[in-house]
Amino acid sequence: EDQVTQSPEALRLQEGESSSLNCSYTVSGLRGLFWYRQDPGKGPEFLFTLYSAGEEKEKERLKATLTKKESFLHITAPKPEDSATYLCAVQAGGAGSYQLTFGKGTKLSVIP
Amino acid sequence: DADVTQTPRNRITKTGKRIMLECSQTKGHDRMYWYRQDPGLGLRLIYYSFDVKDINKGEISDGYSVSRQAQAKFSLSLESAIPNQTALYFCATSDLTSGGAYNEQFFGPGTRLTVL
Repeated sequence: EDQVTQSPEALRLQEGESSSLNCSYTVSGLRGLFWYRQDPGKGPEFLFTLYSAGEEKEKERLKATLTKKESFLHITAPKPEDSATYLCAVQAGGAGSYQLTFGKGTKLSVIP
Repeated sequence: DADVTQTPRNRITKTGKRIMLECSQTKGHDRMYWYRQDPGLGLRLIYYSFDVKDINKGEISDGYSVSRQAQAKFSLSLESAIPNQTALYFCATSDLTSGGAYNEQFFGPGTRLTVL
C-alpha cells in the first residue's frame, strides 16, 4: 500500500526565517510527486511536479527537491502570505494507475 | 471565471436525504475526479472518470455514486446521506501531457456538506 507521510504537522516561522517541509513516501514505482498549497476553505492549488530523484523545481520563495525516499519543500525568507497548508501527493503503480495518494499536510504559519 | 466550478458551495441536509453535488470544468480535460477531505485524514479519492463512458471506483466509493453527463460535467450523489459523510468535497480535473507523463490535477473550490 502506498504511503505518504508529511512532517511536521504544523510549523510556525517568523517572517524571513527559512525552513523546510518534509514528505516521505513508500510506493511501488513512483510516477510523479506533487506539491499543492491549500488556503482555508479553498481547493488545493498546484505548485510543482517532480518525476525523478535529483529533480528540483523553484517558484518564487519555494523550492521542491526529490530523492528516492522523500521530497522537501524549502521556503526561503517566508512572508505572511505564504501561510497555508502544504500538501504532498504521489502517483505510483503500474500502467493504468492514475490515483493520487495524499499526505495529511503541513500547516505553515508565518508570523510578521 | 474559475476553470473548475462546484455547486453548491455549502449544503446542510438531514440523514436519509439524497444529495447531488455538481462539478463543471472549462479546461477541456478528459479526466475528472471526486475527493473528500476530512480533518486529520487528508484527501481521499471517491470516484474518477477518464471520459464519458469510463467510471472507476476510488478508495472510498461505498455510499456514493457518480454520473459523467458530458466531458465537462461530473456529478457526485449521496443516495441516502449519513452523518459520517459530513466533509469537504472537491472535484478535480487532469489531462495527459503529450509526452505521456502523468499530469497534475486541478481542483475546484469545494463543497462543504453537513449531514445532520
